Amino acid sequence: QKEVEQDPGPLSVPEGAIVSLNCTYSNSAFQYFMWYRQYSRKGPELLMYTYSSGNKEDGRFTAQVDKSSKYISLFIRDSQPSDSATYLCAAPYGGATNKLIFGTGTLLAVQP
Amino acid sequence: EPEVTQTPSHQVTQMGQEVILRCVPISNHLYFYWYRQILGQKVEFLVSFYNNEISEKSEIFDDQFSVERPDGSNFTLKIRSTKLEDSAMYFCASISFYEQYFGPGTRLTVT
Repeated sequence: QKEVEQDPGPLSVPEGAIVSLNCTYSNSAFQYFMWYRQYSRKGPELLMYTYSSGNKEDGRFTAQVDKSSKYISLFIRDSQPSDSATYLCAAPYGGATNKLIFGTGTLLAVQP
Repeated sequence: EPEVTQTPSHQVTQMGQEVILRCVPISNHLYFYWYRQILGQKVEFLVSFYNNEISEKSEIFDDQFSVERPDGSNFTLKIRSTKLEDSAMYFCASISFYEQYFGPGTRLTVT
C-alpha cells in the first residue's frame, strides 16, 4: 500500500542549512497531512499538521502542501544537530480521526 | 504537557506466550490507536478504538490480537500467542481534533 512515499535518504546537511523533506501521495481523498519526527527507537513526535494547500509555519519549520500535484514538503531553517532524526509524513485515511498512513520516513543527519 | 504513556518500555517473551502491552492515552481524548513498526520498516496501523469498541482494524490484527479499555484510563493490546514476526515496536496513540499523539512505544522481542 504505497499511498504515501518518501525518499528514505539518508540526507546529510551542514549545521545552519535549509533542509527540504518531501513526500508524494497517490490518494486524492487525503485531506490532512502530518509531519512527525522520530528519534531512534522512540515514538513519532507530531511536528505539524496541515489541511489545505499552501504554507504553514511554526518556528523554524514550514509545511507546504500542493494538492494539485499531490506533493507535501517540510522545510527546516537554520538546521541544528538536534534536528537529526527520521522525518515521517502521514495522512489520515478518510476522516481526520481515521488511521494514519505513513511514509517510510527520511533520515536526516545535520553535521555540526 | 499531557502525553501518552506506555508500559513496559521493553518486553521480552518466548514464542507462544501471551503479552499485554499497556497504554495510558491523554485524558480527554476519545479515539485510541495501536500501531507497530518492525525495525527498518514503516509505521503501520493495527487497530482503532472509539466508544469502547473497535472502529477499524487492519489485516495484521487477526484473532491473536485484542484490545481493551478496562477502566477510564488504560488501553491495552493483548497478543495471545506471540510469534517471532510479532517482534516490533508497538505504539499507542490518541487523538485530539486532527492531531494524533504517540506514546514512546514498547519494544517487543519474541524469542
